[in-house]
Amino acid sequence: DIQMTQSPSSLSASVGDRVTIACRASQNINIFLNWYQQKPGRAPNLLISAASSLQSGVPSRFSGSGSGTDFTLSISSLQPEDFATYYCQQSYSTPPTFGQGTKVEIK
Amino acid sequence: QVQLQESGPRLVKPSQTLSLTCTVSGGSISSGSSYWNWLRQPAGETLEWIGRLFVSGSPNNNPSLKSRVTISIDTSKNQFSLKLDSVTAADTAIYYCARGIYDSRGYYYFDSWGQGTLVTVSS
Repeated sequence: DIQMTQSPSSLSASVGDRVTIACRASQNINIFLNWYQQKPGRAPNLLISAASSLQSGVPSRFSGSGSGTDFTLSISSLQPEDFATYYCQQSYSTPPTFGQGTKVEIK
Repeated sequence: QVQLQESGPRLVKPSQTLSLTCTVSGGSISSGSSYWNWLRQPAGETLEWIGRLFVSGSPNNNPSLKSRVTISIDTSKNQFSLKLDSVTAADTAIYYCARGIYDSRGYYYFDSWGQGTLVTVSS
C-alpha cells in the first residue's frame, strides 16, 4: 500500500492567516492526489482533485500543488469556517489511502 | 449531485456479521461512470477504504480486510450493501458510503458521501 504522510498533524492559526499543509507519498503518484475537508460529526468534503483542480463551489482561497511524492494544500486567508481537519488521499493505486489528517485550530 | 444514506444496526456482537445498506437518491446507481464505495473511520483516526463495486463489474476490496468483506448491489432498489464478517472491537468505527468517479482525464476521487453511521462492536 502507498503510505501518505501529512505535516503538521495540527496547527493553530488566526483568521486571515495563510496556512500550508504538506502531504508526502511513499512512492511516485504523479498527480493522483485529492484533498478533503472534514468538520466534526460530518463526512469528508472533496476540495481538490488531481493535485490542483479546485472542485466546483470550493472557495478560491483554497489551492493545491505538487506532483510525484510531494504535495501542498494552501489556504490563502483563513476564514472561520475553515477550521477543520484536512486529509490527503492518493488514487494512484488500490487500495486508495489517506494521510493521517491535519487539524487546523483557532489560535 | 447524488445523495447517499447509510442504514443498518448500530450495535453488533463480536464474531457476528456487520451489515449496512446505502440508499442512493438523485441519480441512478446504474450510472456508467459511478463506483460505489464503503469506507470507515475509527474515532480520532484517519479514513480506511473498505472496498468498491461497479454496477457491471467485480468488487474490489481492501486486502487488509482479507476475505471478510462482501459488497453487493441492488439496482431495483438503488442500493448497495456491505457485509463484514467475524467482527471484533477493532471494527468499531463510523462507516461511510461514498461515490467514486473518474473525471474526463482519468483521475479518481470520492465526490459524494453519506453522513456516516457509527457501528459499535460490543457484547
